[in-house]
Amino acid sequence: DADVTQTPRNRITKTGKRIMLECSQTKGHDRMYWYRQDPGLGLRLIYYSFDVKDINKGEISDGYSVSRQAQAKFSLSLESAIPNQTALYFCATSDQTDTGELFFGEGSRLTVL
Amino acid sequence: GQNIDQPTEMTATEGAIVQINCTYQTSGFNGLFWYQQHAGEAPTFLSYNVLDGLEEKGRFSSFLSRSKGYSYLLLKELQMKDSASYLCAIMDSNYQLIWGAGTKLIIKP
Repeated sequence: DADVTQTPRNRITKTGKRIMLECSQTKGHDRMYWYRQDPGLGLRLIYYSFDVKDINKGEISDGYSVSRQAQAKFSLSLESAIPNQTALYFCATSDQTDTGELFFGEGSRLTVL
Repeated sequence: GQNIDQPTEMTATEGAIVQINCTYQTSGFNGLFWYQQHAGEAPTFLSYNVLDGLEEKGRFSSFLSRSKGYSYLLLKELQMKDSASYLCAIMDSNYQLIWGAGTKLIIKP
């Protein structure tokens, strides 16, 4: 089983719908991240959390919200999806060291029609 | 502003050596990472450099020159499974990762 699990892996939805992407991890890491990846662009940080009570906006947080339900769970919501949110979304974790290698989930491919 | 440049695509031959360059301009520097990403899969960690010089790990090596804002990833004895995208990322002064767009490496027999 993967250490970082994302659900759903693929989702097609319509403009205006609310979507939640879920991430759970068994690595025991405190730090969790949500990224999106678009062709020709680097990974861009949406939100990150260093512990259950800590939530921080990343580079591109507009149109997204997150919830850190537990150390092991970090979910990303699109309150009203729009087509330019079509992308591959990755959840990642790291430990507390500042050399923190990231461990990624397998990705969630979201298509907004 | 912050900027990381990598070639978009490179082609190499099985068994050969390839060098993938990364140049950067960022607000502060707390380390440089290389990740490998096979098509449709998650990125996986390859290397981390924070001091100048060469770090060797099996067939892969990574070099850093902080004064030049330059790094390269060297892959030796190329195998078909090395066909992937290679992502360069800088940890900035806020300990946030800034990612390059990645270099797609195509290996030909």
